[in-house]
Amino acid sequence: GQNIDQPTEMTATEGAIVQINCTYQTSGFNGLFWYQQHAGEAPTFLSYNVLDGLEEKGRFSSFLSRSKGYSYLLLKELQMKDSASYLCAVNQAGTALIFGKGTTLSVSS
Amino acid sequence: ETGVTQTPRHLVMGMTNKKSLKCEQHLGHNAMYWYKQSAKKPLELMFVYNFKEQTENNSVPSRFSPECPNSSHLFLHLHTLQPEDSALYLCASSQMTGNQPQHFGDGTRLSIL
Repeated sequence: GQNIDQPTEMTATEGAIVQINCTYQTSGFNGLFWYQQHAGEAPTFLSYNVLDGLEEKGRFSSFLSRSKGYSYLLLKELQMKDSASYLCAVNQAGTALIFGKGTTLSVSS
Repeated sequence: ETGVTQTPRHLVMGMTNKKSLKCEQHLGHNAMYWYKQSAKKPLELMFVYNFKEQTENNSVPSRFSPECPNSSHLFLHLHTLQPEDSALYLCASSQMTGNQPQHFGDGTRLSIL
């Protein structure tokens, strides 16, 4: 079957580092996406990984291990505006995306 | 501003009404999607259009009827909906289907009375 797992909620403080994990079991794999969604707003694209390793984009980095079916999103120097839901999504061999339930991150001062 | 505009932002309708959701993208993309987002559930893909042709229908009930007159516009026609259809309906577009980032609209919050 197809399954994408992420923690439901996480909390952190301003300036800290947080890692949001995602594990997946899908019948095909053509890349993994991370999206950010603020309450009442559209999901926005953060990162894409198709090869093993770390992709860095400013304060955000994303890691993929295909053999382990595992990814994480790393957020550094957290800011209050980073409070949002973070969605992990897998592209299965040319079809549209399969999403996890999302991780709600709350950043406090 | 994501380049994908959805109207209306909010819609309340009775179970016997007929209404339509509209999506327009200004990004020059060729693929468009409808998703349903319910509380505590993952985003659920409903329909995929690629170059105006429907390429995926994810076992969606016939009370939801999509229409894609051109690559920039996508509609979702609603008829005889059920209370469990209350959700946020998101439209997205991408350059192609597959491993391309999707750009989402802000969604239509639908409430069925």
